[in-house]
Amino acid sequence: DAGITQSPRHKVTETGTPVTLRCHQTENHRYMYWYRQDPGHGLRLIHYSYGVKDTDKGEVSDGYSVSRSKTEDFLLTLESATSSQTSVYFCAIRPDGTLVGGYTFGSGTRLTVV
Amino acid sequence: RKEVEQDPGPFNVPEGATVAFNCTYSNSASQSFFWYRQDCRKEPKLLMSVYSSGNEDGRFTAQLNRASQYISLLIRDSKLSDSATYLCVVNQGGKLIFGQGTELSVKP
Repeated sequence: DAGITQSPRHKVTETGTPVTLRCHQTENHRYMYWYRQDPGHGLRLIHYSYGVKDTDKGEVSDGYSVSRSKTEDFLLTLESATSSQTSVYFCAIRPDGTLVGGYTFGSGTRLTVV
Repeated sequence: RKEVEQDPGPFNVPEGATVAFNCTYSNSASQSFFWYRQDCRKEPKLLMSVYSSGNEDGRFTAQLNRASQYISLLIRDSKLSDSATYLCVVNQGGKLIFGQGTELSVKP
């Protein structure tokens, strides 16, 4: 399988606390993405990165920030977690160049905000 | 209106059945198209790309109609192991836009 790992796999946190999710890749790809998946909504793009320190917002970026200080790591931070951010979070990577083969996803992080 | 819309599920079919999933997309500038499969509580995985001329991969056939902005997936001779959620996916400017998915349950 492609070298992409997410941590933690599961997390329970309290409302109002900051939370950071990590995505790590060993493929040296420029492009990395964070999605959230909720029943009735499918996967929605939160933020993405097209290189070190190069990031942009997706469809549902409010309440989230990201950082990419190294090619291999893309961090997603919930600045002050709310119950509406309870979700499954997926990181994805894709090779540079033409998007032919789609993305490769990590195994996901299940986040519960109580 | 959602950018990518799929048949609502679930589809419950017997083994050996043929089942078809449909999908429409709203942005005519969409560049490429995919079907992903997602097993329960797992990450989505690429099933196949979809080409304008139509393409097959074993029991799976994908079709694209750009004029109608319509994508389909046909599964022949369904197996128990085909039970999963099938996601219609569209590439817009290098970002993948996902449909909600259609759940398939294949029964013995």
